[in-house]
Amino acid sequence: GNSVTQMEGPVTLSEEAFLTINCTYTATGYPSLFWYVQYPGEGLQLLLKATKADDKGSNKGFEATYRKETTSFHLEKGSVQVSDSAVYFCALSGATGGFKTIFGAGTRLFVKA
Amino acid sequence: EAQVTQNPRYLITVTGKKLTVTCSQNMNHEYMSWYRQDPGLGLRQIYYSMNVEVTDKGDVPEGYKVSRKEKRNFPLILESPSPNQTSLYFCASSIPITGGHGELFFGEGSRLTVL
Repeated sequence: GNSVTQMEGPVTLSEEAFLTINCTYTATGYPSLFWYVQYPGEGLQLLLKATKADDKGSNKGFEATYRKETTSFHLEKGSVQVSDSAVYFCALSGATGGFKTIFGAGTRLFVKA
Repeated sequence: EAQVTQNPRYLITVTGKKLTVTCSQNMNHEYMSWYRQDPGLGLRQIYYSMNVEVTDKGDVPEGYKVSRKEKRNFPLILESPSPNQTSLYFCASSIPITGGHGELFFGEGSRLTVL
């Protein structure tokens, strides 16, 4: 079945460090891919998305490229800030089997000043 | 303001006592869905609805019911709660797109404890 695998956390970085959070997926068909972010005590909110192969999603300095050949959608940011501390979820929808959403387990990021 | 509203935000109940968690959205979205969030497991989909009177099971539907009588509301019903349903619950809405749905808009979550 469809699945999403994220690197385990927590990830601890110093401010201005480079961030990569790995995400790989297994899906039939052509899913859309998403990164959501959850700040403490809040619901999830969309960070970025990509709907087809080679699309790059970007927002707030974060980027991720939909790589069909490696079934990956890794999240990157060149210089993290303390305010980026949160839990990040990779997700897919629209694979065969349609309207279900599959989330990864989430990766907690701590950024130290 | 566009939003998804869940109630209650926090609830402690006892095994077997029926409860309902309400969810309402003001964005005229056709698609609505319920998830539970548990440590190490991410979010798992319970039920979803493509439109009024159209619902389908997600990956963990056992012990839950839903209904979609109006477009804006999608309540989650626990007929006989058990301790393994202690979790953080999220409602979300979206618009359908070809082959799936677009960005999900989430409520703030409902933390449920079943004793």
